[in-house]
Amino acid sequence: AQRVTQPEKLLSVFKGAPVELKCNYSYSGSPELFWYVQYSRQRLQLLLRHISRESIKGFTADLNKGETSFHLKKPFAQEEDSAMYYCALFGNAGGTSYGKLTFGQGTILTVHP
Amino acid sequence: DAMVIQNPRYQVTQFGKPVTLSCSQTLNHNVMYWYQQKSSQAPKLLFHYYDKDFNNEADTPDNFQSRRPNTSFCFLDIRSPGLGDAAMYLCATSRSGSGRVSQFFGPGTRLTVL
Repeated sequence: AQRVTQPEKLLSVFKGAPVELKCNYSYSGSPELFWYVQYSRQRLQLLLRHISRESIKGFTADLNKGETSFHLKKPFAQEEDSAMYYCALFGNAGGTSYGKLTFGQGTILTVHP
Repeated sequence: DAMVIQNPRYQVTQFGKPVTLSCSQTLNHNVMYWYQQKSSQAPKLLFHYYDKDFNNEADTPDNFQSRRPNTSFCFLDIRSPGLGDAAMYLCATSRSGSGRVSQFFGPGTRLTVL
């Protein structure tokens, strides 16, 4: 089975403060991990993926296989970062011939001015 | 520049009355997915098409069916909606079934069952 856990349903920080959204996963194989974001009244969209090792809108995420984590970090939060963030794992669980994306429950980030 | 389009955005149906949700894409992607997202929950995959090959998730109720008449369109049919089927339904596409490609989501259709 593949599972994604985001322990924080809500996270509030002030503008300019560092932010870390936690994500832990369970998967027996080699995972492909993603962060998706949904801004108010917008569709779900990809923020970043671990294989790209890139920084998007100041966010980074490092895959830690030892801790089975893929936390999302930003050193200085901005008000426009307020959104729902989903961690997701693409894996081939259950012995199927295809893979699928499994989402965490999501974390609502609010950045106060 | 909408690339994955879902119609309608809001759908109200009555208990037991069949309903069809539609999704279209201009990306020419091979794979189309349907997710169900209930309030305060994660999106959950119902099924997907890789080209014309249909893949149903083991725990998707028989009440849910899908059709993909061509590359651009995919439909979600709920044969006899129950109150528990009220949710946001998300359509997504990807270029391939590989985990290395991202999925593009539509805006969703919010289904209300009276």
